[in-house]
Amino acid sequence: GAVVSQHPSRVICKSGTSVKIECRSLDFQATTMFWYRQFPKQSLMLMATSNEGSKATYEQGVEKDKFLINHASLTLSTLTVTSAHPEDSSFYICSARENRGPYEQYFGPGTRLTVT
Amino acid sequence: GQQLNQSPQSMFIQEGEDVSMNCTSSSIFNTWLWYKQDPGEGPVLLIALYKAGELTSNGRLTAQFGITRKDSFLNISASIPSDVGIYFCAGQRRNNNDMRFGAGTRLTVKP
Repeated sequence: GAVVSQHPSRVICKSGTSVKIECRSLDFQATTMFWYRQFPKQSLMLMATSNEGSKATYEQGVEKDKFLINHASLTLSTLTVTSAHPEDSSFYICSARENRGPYEQYFGPGTRLTVT
Repeated sequence: GQQLNQSPQSMFIQEGEDVSMNCTSSSIFNTWLWYKQDPGEGPVLLIALYKAGELTSNGRLTAQFGITRKDSFLNISASIPSDVGIYFCAGQRRNNNDMRFGAGTRLTVKP
């Protein structure tokens, strides 16, 4: 089956630093990947849609200069949280959509970010 | 914000009981999906529904795509302890770039 990996699974960083999270589709190509954020006991909220070779599309209220997305290849998208603050602490989940029908999305295992 | 209303928010049941949860929307979706999320993990796809009226099973799970395309339900029969987790519905529109999630149903199964 289609597998999506994320790295790291957990990261703790200090306020003001930047953190990069990787999302990889391991056995399929994904022109489109998605980044979600999930707070405890809440649902997934779409942050941005990442398109290979072009700029990401951000959801309303998500700062593009704070959450930098790079989708440089058909199997890798990265999310960089810049100048992190404690309120950025959350569970970040990516998904990758197959390039062929039925275009299902497969989710990564998530990255737990804690900003101290 | 959320466009899907998922209920119930939580369920506490005995092992062996059947479970039913549903999602409704104010707008039409072309695809309905049901995911299960274990603590600290990403969601795992359980069932995908592509046509209005479609009824699909996956083992003890059965899901239906409502005829109006604005709702879906998921049934779990003869629940077991490993069914514990959070179940999310998701609706996807035709362009496939717009998938929205329900708030989730937290299922607890007592042995």
